Amino acid sequence: EPEVTQTPSHQVTQMGQEVILRCVPISNHLYFYWYRQILGQKVEFLVSFYNNEISEKSEIFDDQFSVERPDGSNFTLKIRSTKLEDSAMYFCASRPEGGYTFGSGTRLTVV
Amino acid sequence: AQKVTQAQTEISVVEKEDVTLDCVYETRDTTYYLFWYKQPPSGELVFLIRRNSFDEQNEISGRYSWNFQKSTSSFNFTITASQVVDSAVYFCALSEANTGFQKLVFGTGTRLLVSP
Repeated sequence: EPEVTQTPSHQVTQMGQEVILRCVPISNHLYFYWYRQILGQKVEFLVSFYNNEISEKSEIFDDQFSVERPDGSNFTLKIRSTKLEDSAMYFCASRPEGGYTFGSGTRLTVV
Repeated sequence: AQKVTQAQTEISVVEKEDVTLDCVYETRDTTYYLFWYKQPPSGELVFLIRRNSFDEQNEISGRYSWNFQKSTSSFNFTITASQVVDSAVYFCALSEANTGFQKLVFGTGTRLLVSP
């Protein structure tokens, strides 16, 4: 069964550093997403991406965040200058027209 | 505005008991999808079911069943004869047509603990 693949599974970074979280969505899917889950809390929408542009973003997705689909297969989330409160599990998801498939997540720890 | 409420923070049962996880949603849209996801201790989100707003038929899949009632805006999930492997956090989520189904709004989750 096709999967959404996320790398790395765990990343530790120092406050103020830039991080790039990587995702390979399912190949024939059209819509791509990033969600965030702070430890012990609910999953929150960050951004959706369709046709090579952002289609919707949440209040959380401020100027420190950016997304890219650099080569037609990868989908990346960049955090320019990480803060302690960016520590969370980040999930990538993709979908055709219907249900969402989530990756297994990247746990980002900012120290 | 869309909102999903899972009032049960944590439920503990003994193996083989039946358990129902509640989900109440709010939406002004007439076309929407409802979802359930399982998050085991390993952390990934496992898709369980998607229901569209026009299909109120209850669904059964093995030990899992779902009861969708538009009249009460509820989409409850029942596990029959629970097993230790069912221990996880379960999230209910909603996606609306008026956002182009561009995002899922999740509830806060219910942690299910099944003990032997």
